[in-house]
Amino acid sequence: QQPVQSPQAVILREGEDAVINCSSSKALYSVHWYRQKHGEAPVFLMILLKGGEQKGHEKISASFNEKKQQSSLYLTASQLSYSGTYFCGTEPRVNYGGSQGNLIFGKGTKLSVKP
Amino acid sequence: DTEVTQTPKHLVMGMTNKKSLKCEQHMGHRAMYWYKQKAKKPPELMFVYSYEKLSINESVPSRFSPECPNSSLLNLHLHALQPEDSALYLCASSPSRDRDPYNSPLHFGNGTRLTVT
Repeated sequence: QQPVQSPQAVILREGEDAVINCSSSKALYSVHWYRQKHGEAPVFLMILLKGGEQKGHEKISASFNEKKQQSSLYLTASQLSYSGTYFCGTEPRVNYGGSQGNLIFGKGTKLSVKP
Repeated sequence: DTEVTQTPKHLVMGMTNKKSLKCEQHMGHRAMYWYKQKAKKPPELMFVYSYEKLSINESVPSRFSPECPNSSLLNLHLHALQPEDSALYLCASSPSRDRDPYNSPLHFGNGTRLTVT
């Protein structure tokens, strides 16, 4: 049930863009994105529920292709503060179309932004 | 500072000890979670409580025993742990998804760093 994230690691220069992908073998109720800095708790970025949905949060946005069970996180004009490990979390869709609330995280993508 | 408070921050215990981890939130959230995180790994779901009732147990060994005495408090009782149980234990809470599923992000505490000797 664990979603698959790619790439495992990305190194960027300030101002460069990155895309992180997340895919699942199960039908999804929702996709969450979190960022965790070293020694800190994961911090919520955004939730996507509907197929075709795109959401934005400053220069960080995400899309969700419900049919393909995939989500992508887009980081544009990266800043040093974007460094950290990004996790997607997925909730499988259950028979009645909802979720049991079991958010399962992918293995993470380590993003390093250099000056 | 997070709005989910976990105590203690660090815990060292022997394999024969009994200890408890505590998690508290005052945001009115009705779902609470325990996750386990090993170094350089993702958080791994252990338990989910919804409205103070255990709704998910991800096949966690019985040496871990969760308890939700009220809507603000979540405990994890530990007994006869193994060295491989050493990890960061994260508590999280989220609003009830019933009214607004978009308003159900997980708010994590800073975790308890557990070492089993």
